[in-house]
Amino acid sequence: EAEVAQSPRYKITEKSQAVAFWCDPISGHATLYWYRQILGQGPELLVQFQDESVVDDSQLPKDRFSAERLKGVDSTLKIQPAELGDSAMYLCASSPVRTSGNEQYFGPGTRLTVT
Amino acid sequence: AQTVTQSQPEMSVQEAETVTLSCTYDTSESDYYLFWYKQPPSRQMILVIRQEAYKQQNATENRFSVNFQKAAKSFSLKISDSQLGDAAMYFCAYRSSNYGGATNKLIFGTGTLLAVQP
Repeated sequence: EAEVAQSPRYKITEKSQAVAFWCDPISGHATLYWYRQILGQGPELLVQFQDESVVDDSQLPKDRFSAERLKGVDSTLKIQPAELGDSAMYLCASSPVRTSGNEQYFGPGTRLTVT
Repeated sequence: AQTVTQSQPEMSVQEAETVTLSCTYDTSESDYYLFWYKQPPSRQMILVIRQEAYKQQNATENRFSVNFQKAAKSFSLKISDSQLGDAAMYFCAYRSSNYGGATNKLIFGTGTLLAVQP
């Protein structure tokens, strides 16, 4: 069964360093999401792509976060510089189409610890 | 803005028993989708059940069923014949069916951690 792949699964970095996460959605899924899940809370959307275009990045801290999906397939989320408050689980999800009630399929996440 | 509230941080159930997880939401929209997602420890989040707001009939998926009360903005999940593998964090989520809008993000509650006792 096809799954969303994410790497690394765990990342420990020091404050002010740069960090990057990678996501490979299910083949053929046009829509890709990055969510951030702080411990004890539900996931919150950071950015949504439709193919290679950003649809929603209203909650992305653009002074330090960036995301790209250059060929409309896999995606990279970058943080530079990392801050202590960025410690969280970063989840990637994909879905076949943007509209309707189609399910979003989640990857296993990248757990980031900033020291 | 839409919000989702899960007022039960933790719940416990005996194996083979039934448990109900609560969820309320706030929205001014008339058409939307509601979901329950399960997040097992160290594993990816998976969809448990989905409800379209325009459907009056409550959704069911095997041992999982919902009680959708649109007027009360309530969406509870009932798990029957609980199994050890049901132990996980459960998230209630809302999604607009705004076809003309830009995003169809999921808005999550804070989750309910379900323990299943043997």
